[in-house]
Amino acid sequence: GQQLNQSPQSMFIQEGEDVSMNCTSSSIFNTWLWYKQDPGEGPVLLIALYKAGELTSNGRLTAQFGITRKDSFLNISASIPSDVGIYFCAGQLRGNLFFGTGTRLTVIP
Amino acid sequence: NAGVTQTPKFQVLKTGQSMTLQCAQDMNHEYMSWYRQDPGMGLRLIHYSVGAGITDQGEVPNGYNVSRSTTEDFPLRLLSAAPSQTSVYFCASSPGTGYYNEQFFGPGTRLTVL
Repeated sequence: GQQLNQSPQSMFIQEGEDVSMNCTSSSIFNTWLWYKQDPGEGPVLLIALYKAGELTSNGRLTAQFGITRKDSFLNISASIPSDVGIYFCAGQLRGNLFFGTGTRLTVIP
Repeated sequence: NAGVTQTPKFQVLKTGQSMTLQCAQDMNHEYMSWYRQDPGMGLRLIHYSVGAGITDQGEVPNGYNVSRSTTEDFPLRLLSAAPSQTSVYFCASSPGTGYYNEQFFGPGTRLTVL
């Protein structure tokens, strides 16, 4: 199966700090996506990246699709308490998603 | 639109029992899929369907069956439940399989097999 390694596994940060997490894969993907999952809910799409080298922003979130197509990173600027949750990267192949292991983010007010 | 709905929300089974997890979407999406999520892991694809009458295996299909008789419904069947199938199950749908087709996830079914 596809192996996506996501780091760090967990982060504890102060409100207002910036956050960075990344994802690497042994396989090439044509699309990279970043999802957020709140407790007891399904993942919700944050950002989608469709081209190698692409840098995309969505509010305080910025993500990049690596040049090799085997990696991606997500930055969250000026974190707020509602950023708490688990963040997953995912690579997409022929419509199917392969997920990273997740980064659990805790924001301390 | 209700989006993607899943029932039940919670289920406890004994080893060897069978059951069906229900998934329905009202967005007329062609693509539907089932994932399982184990503690400390990402979601893993079990089975998927690109349209009514068409299903295929994902990464972890063993122990599960699916069928897709209508566009709206994509049930997941456990024929003989095992403790290793204790997990949270998510159903998802998207308009298609190409670029720009966002997958929408249901709220999940938490299954415990004793």
